[in-house]
Amino acid sequence: QVQLVESGGGLVKPGGSLRLSCAASGFAFSNSYMAWLRQAPVKGLELLAYINDNSRYTNYADSVRGRFTISRDNAKNSLFLEMNSLTAEDSAVYFCATLAFSGSFYDHWGQGTLVTVSS
Amino acid sequence: EIGLTQSPATLSASPGERATLSCRASQSLRSNLAWYQQKPGQAPRLLIYGTSTRATGVPARFSGSGSETEFTLTISSLQSEDFAVYYCQQYNHWPPGSFGQGTKVEI
Repeated sequence: QVQLVESGGGLVKPGGSLRLSCAASGFAFSNSYMAWLRQAPVKGLELLAYINDNSRYTNYADSVRGRFTISRDNAKNSLFLEMNSLTAEDSAVYFCATLAFSGSFYDHWGQGTLVTVSS
Repeated sequence: EIGLTQSPATLSASPGERATLSCRASQSLRSNLAWYQQKPGQAPRLLIYGTSTRATGVPARFSGSGSETEFTLTISSLQSEDFAVYYCQQYNHWPPGSFGQGTKVEI
């Protein structure tokens, strides 16, 4: 059974940093492309970043490029999102998800972790 | 970026009724469209991909159709557990592979 469990969210001040983690189990993590998405009340669902199976390739949304970094540790079945220079617009629920092999949609999601950026 | 417009924003229906949800794209997507279901406090769940292929474990009452710019998700007979928000996502132009704003199916 595929399981993705995010952690690391919380309340952070504007300009601050957070590191999100996603623990994966129940599937071949080291063979899977992974993504971070977020969901904010007004902006809806948004892809933030994705990473290929061996970490050689990453890609970011314009809204987070240069501030967020996606990484993974295949030995520990873990995905990470380092977030810097946070603003109120980054407040959202953050999800990790697997990218399907048969297309660029998301076949498994974690339950999400809430990030609130506020002074 | 490709825009996806979902309609209606809210659909009020009763258990046993048929529900038809629409997703319209600003450009052709061929068949590269997925549908997700999201219940309060939960993650989205993949229902349909490739316009009409049900994901593993999805009941047969869910079906998808359409092509190019017009797509439909149909729930043939609403069950109590189907009351949720439904999102379409295009992946013909990915990344970013935009999402619609959602249709809430309520009693």
